[in-house]
Amino acid sequence: AQSVTQLDSQVPVFEEAPVELRCNYSSSVSVYLFWYVQYPNQGLQLLLKYLSGSTLVKGINGFEAEFNKSQTSFHLRKPSVHISDTAEYFCASYNQGGKLIFGQGTELSVKP
Amino acid sequence: DAGITQSPRHKVTETGTPVTLRCHQTENHRYMYWYRQDPGHGLRLIHYSYGVKDTDKGEVSDGYSVSRSKTEDFLLTLESATSSQTSVYFCAISEAGTVYNEQFFGPGTRLTVL
Repeated sequence: AQSVTQLDSQVPVFEEAPVELRCNYSSSVSVYLFWYVQYPNQGLQLLLKYLSGSTLVKGINGFEAEFNKSQTSFHLRKPSVHISDTAEYFCASYNQGGKLIFGQGTELSVKP
Repeated sequence: DAGITQSPRHKVTETGTPVTLRCHQTENHRYMYWYRQDPGHGLRLIHYSYGVKDTDKGEVSDGYSVSRSKTEDFLLTLESATSSQTSVYFCAISEAGTVYNEQFFGPGTRLTVL
């Protein structure tokens, strides 16, 4: 079973609109959760991470995510997207063996 | 940006030929990782290293071998490439192997096996 599930493979949105990219995790992974962004033809870059403490985590480029233990979710949000946010986004967590497990990825496409 | 380079950046090869991909870091990080990225699968761990000459298998290690003779270099070898190994390969590094340590990623190598 997939340990980290991203519920949308593609999310099209207009510029300046809000966006939410959804991520659920299973009990087979830890609650150390990450969001990475991959711009076209580049490697992955860390957006934000949740290790402990406040359930609302703020990251770079105006993104934030909320850890919800009861719903086993870690959704990524941005109140107003820009064309430059067009990229693929990956949710990830460590499994019990200490390996980083990635979701399938969500392609965010921001249209003018 | 973390000092990670991968070479080559693009390679086209034929089925049955050996291929070696190189990851080089200038950060002196102990841990190094090789992932492959395929549509619908995200990134999957192939092998990783926790020190010079210390390596271990990841989720999708069949058909791949690795070597690390120096802290800065981590090689991934496909002994006999197959079409199923067509993918984008990413190297990553981290200072330690705990969940608190961010992994930094290289720019990737796009490998096509014909």
